[in-house]
Amino acid sequence: QSALTQPASVSGSPGQSITISCTGTSSDIGTYNYVSWYQQHPGKAPKLMIYDVSHRLSGVSARFSGSKSGNTASLTISGLQAEDEADYFCKSYTNTNTWVFGGGTKVTVL
Amino acid sequence: QVQLVQSGAEVKKPGASVKVSCKASGYTFSSYGVSWVRQAPGQGPEWVGWISGHSGSTKYAEKFQGRITMTTDTSTTTTYMELRSLRSDDTAVYYCARDYEESSKFDPWGQGTLVSVSS
Repeated sequence: QSALTQPASVSGSPGQSITISCTGTSSDIGTYNYVSWYQQHPGKAPKLMIYDVSHRLSGVSARFSGSKSGNTASLTISGLQAEDEADYFCKSYTNTNTWVFGGGTKVTVL
Repeated sequence: QVQLVQSGAEVKKPGASVKVSCKASGYTFSSYGVSWVRQAPGQGPEWVGWISGHSGSTKYAEKFQGRITMTTDTSTTTTYMELRSLRSDDTAVYYCARDYEESSKFDPWGQGTLVSVSS
């Protein structure tokens, strides 16, 4: 199972909106609504932000939202803040009953 | 509060085995599974496998089949991951995470265990 494809980096100024894409195939994202997004600060464990494509974990800011179209899922961060600077990973269920992650996207707040 | 606490860092030689523990607290252990995920330095995460907290059933990523075993001890709410025949490319931080099974939620995660494999 190949890793999901994410851009290596995305940047934006404070207050702006950015979108991170996560592209898979019909064997994973295209078939299942089991897509989640994780935030990881350096040296820390990943933290769940969005699950089942578009559901925000309780306590996560409403500035984070998720969506999916075809084989591509997206995470949008609106009103970008300095604390949002981190790595973000997507994850999807697959047709072999396993999970596959994306390679990660580094978000930089300019 | 819900938390997963993992065992400490390990240094191993190629060909050796490592066993990492993950103690769960703050929730009904048998109602969730535990997934293990590893992350090599500078790389994205990689799913390693899953174990049911209820039945002990397992599912492993194909690349680890034959050299990985996951077990649980319900009396201590602890999950174990043993990886055998270690190679240098097994060097990574290994995480456990509570797996909701009927959802894509992995939450929360343990603090991670660094496994270093070097001769």
